[in-house]
Amino acid sequence: KNQVEQSPQSLIILEGKNCTLQCNYTVSPFSNLRWYKQDTGRGPVSLTIMTFSENTKSNGRYTATLDADTKQSSLHITASQLSDSASYICVVFDNAGNNRKLIWGLGTSLAVNP
Amino acid sequence: GAGVSQTPSNKVTEKGKYVELRCDPISGHTALYWYRQSLGQGPEFLIYFQGTGAADDSGLPNDRFFAVRPEGSVSTLKIQRTEPRDSAVYFCASIPLGQGANGYTFGSGTRLTVV
Repeated sequence: KNQVEQSPQSLIILEGKNCTLQCNYTVSPFSNLRWYKQDTGRGPVSLTIMTFSENTKSNGRYTATLDADTKQSSLHITASQLSDSASYICVVFDNAGNNRKLIWGLGTSLAVNP
Repeated sequence: GAGVSQTPSNKVTEKGKYVELRCDPISGHTALYWYRQSLGQGPEFLIYFQGTGAADDSGLPNDRFFAVRPEGSVSTLKIQRTEPRDSAVYFCASIPLGQGANGYTFGSGTRLTVV
């Protein structure tokens, strides 16, 4: 079972609409959670980074929420644009001892249609 | 350079051949990570360097994979006797000293295809 699970697996919306992507994680101890946007054939680009004490963080039209008690995060995209079409990946930083590394979800593939 | 540079951007090789993938991190970044991403999957951790030493190589899938960072900057991921299942995009990321997990910068990756 993946320690970071995302839903939906894929999503199609019309340009201008809003959408929300979900991320549930079981990684513990938890250091921080981040959302990445990955365009096809490109490296991941960070959208937001949240520590356990932060509930909401915005980056332009992207707003991430975090509930560290229920181990859930969401990424809300407002007024979607065609350029938002990409894979959105939720990543949790595993800070256990010397085994520090990112635990990646499988991503949500978002398609924004005109 | 301004970002993390990876070369080549694309590599096609025959089964059984040896390949080297290069990562040039941002100047001064002490930590360097290698990940690989197979089609339809999230990135999979391979190895993490702090300076010249491999602090965690638990993600290397088998002994055909090896990575070095002899001078604490450029890193090379080496794959021997390549197999079709090694086909993936290999990403490198670096972070500066003291920024922990917050300073990750990824390269654009090397797409490896083993035929």
